[in-house]
Amino acid sequence: ETGVTQSPTHLIKTRGQQVTLRCSSQSGHNTVSWYQQALGQGPQFIFQYYREEENGRGNFPPRFSGLQFPNYSSELNVNALELDDSALYLCASSPFAGDDTGELFFGEGSRLTVL
Amino acid sequence: AQTVTQSQPEMSVQEAETVTLSCTYDTSESDYYLFWYKQPPSRQMILVIRQEAYKQQNATENRFSVNFQKAAKSFSLKISDSQLGDAAMYFCAYRSARSGGGADGLTFGKGTHLIIQP
Repeated sequence: ETGVTQSPTHLIKTRGQQVTLRCSSQSGHNTVSWYQQALGQGPQFIFQYYREEENGRGNFPPRFSGLQFPNYSSELNVNALELDDSALYLCASSPFAGDDTGELFFGEGSRLTVL
Repeated sequence: AQTVTQSQPEMSVQEAETVTLSCTYDTSESDYYLFWYKQPPSRQMILVIRQEAYKQQNATENRFSVNFQKAAKSFSLKISDSQLGDAAMYFCAYRSARSGGGADGLTFGKGTHLIIQP
């Protein structure tokens, strides 16, 4: 069983640029969510996708957007990067929306540095 | 909005001893899930243990157990017989159990850094 994989593992961007982070869900999982983890903080929920549609969103501005593809892989796009966007971005998948176990399966994250 | 508070930024324990990590939360909901996740230096978050709020019995998973006090909104994690591999950041997390509540995501605390002394 393949776990959640994310790419790239590290990247550096400059303020104002755009970035795309990618995630492959665990086999059999059709729900994916993204989290931002600033240094020394707990992860914060960005949004969740189910059946290629966003069905939940945290307190993040519209310049954070996403996609989910038919194979359940996903992208996180961030436009007009700001210094405060520097963080570890975690992707998590789960078997299906409303799964009562609530457990999420996380990838190892993409470390974004904005200069 | 729900909040999760972990008041211990760092804890240290001798190998083979027992340690308890604290977590409190605030919610107006009656049905929810609580989790403890472990994040080692590899960065991958791993579920340690989960608790359903409607269950009075405290969850246990091998050396890991919780003390769930619903009225006090407290959810502590006890690690028995600590091992070097337990060293990591530990995050307490909350999720609503209402229909569609999963779409609100998990609310995490700031974490506790657990150090295991050999």
